[in-house]
Amino acid sequence: GDSVTQMEGPVTLSEEAFLTINCTYTATGYPSLFWYVQYPGEGLQLLLKATKADDKGSNKGFEATYRKETTSFHLEKGSVQVSDSAVYFCALRDPVDAGNMLTFGGGTRLMVKP
Amino acid sequence: DAGITQSPRHKVTETGTPVTLRCHQTENHRYMYWYRQDPGHGLRLIHYSYGVKDTDKGEVSDGYSVSRSKTEDFLLTLESATSSQTSVYFCAISESLGTDTQYFGPGTRLTVL
Repeated sequence: GDSVTQMEGPVTLSEEAFLTINCTYTATGYPSLFWYVQYPGEGLQLLLKATKADDKGSNKGFEATYRKETTSFHLEKGSVQVSDSAVYFCALRDPVDAGNMLTFGGGTRLMVKP
Repeated sequence: DAGITQSPRHKVTETGTPVTLRCHQTENHRYMYWYRQDPGHGLRLIHYSYGVKDTDKGEVSDGYSVSRSKTEDFLLTLESATSSQTSVYFCAISESLGTDTQYFGPGTRLTVL
């Protein structure tokens, strides 16, 4: 079945540091890929997405590129802020699955210190 | 923000009791989902609905049932709660099969003692 693997956290960075959170996937079809963010005490929010190979999703300074050859969708940000502290989830939607279901990775907690 | 509410937001119950969680949406979206979130597992799909009275099982459906009698409401029932069902439960909605984005509710924290 489909699966998503993320680097385990927590990831602790100082403000303005460069961020990379690794995500790799396995899927039957050609999936769409997503990053969701969960701030403390809240539900998940879509951060960015990419629907086909070589697409780059971007939002709020975060970027991720759909790499089919390495089955990866790593999240990057050039300069993190304290307000970026949250849990980040990589997810995929496989078009061969009925119901538009998402498969999630385990989540990576990011802590940014001033 | 998508109009999704969940009730209750917090609940503590005892093993063996029935529990129903409610998800309500004001977006008229066709698809609705129930996930549970546990440390190290991310979110796992319990059940989903693709229309009124149309539901199907997800990855971790054992011990759970769902009902959808109206477009706006999707109920998750634990017939006899167990401690392994202590978790945070999230409802999500999406507009159509061709629309990738799912919008999530604020979650319900359930503790089964």
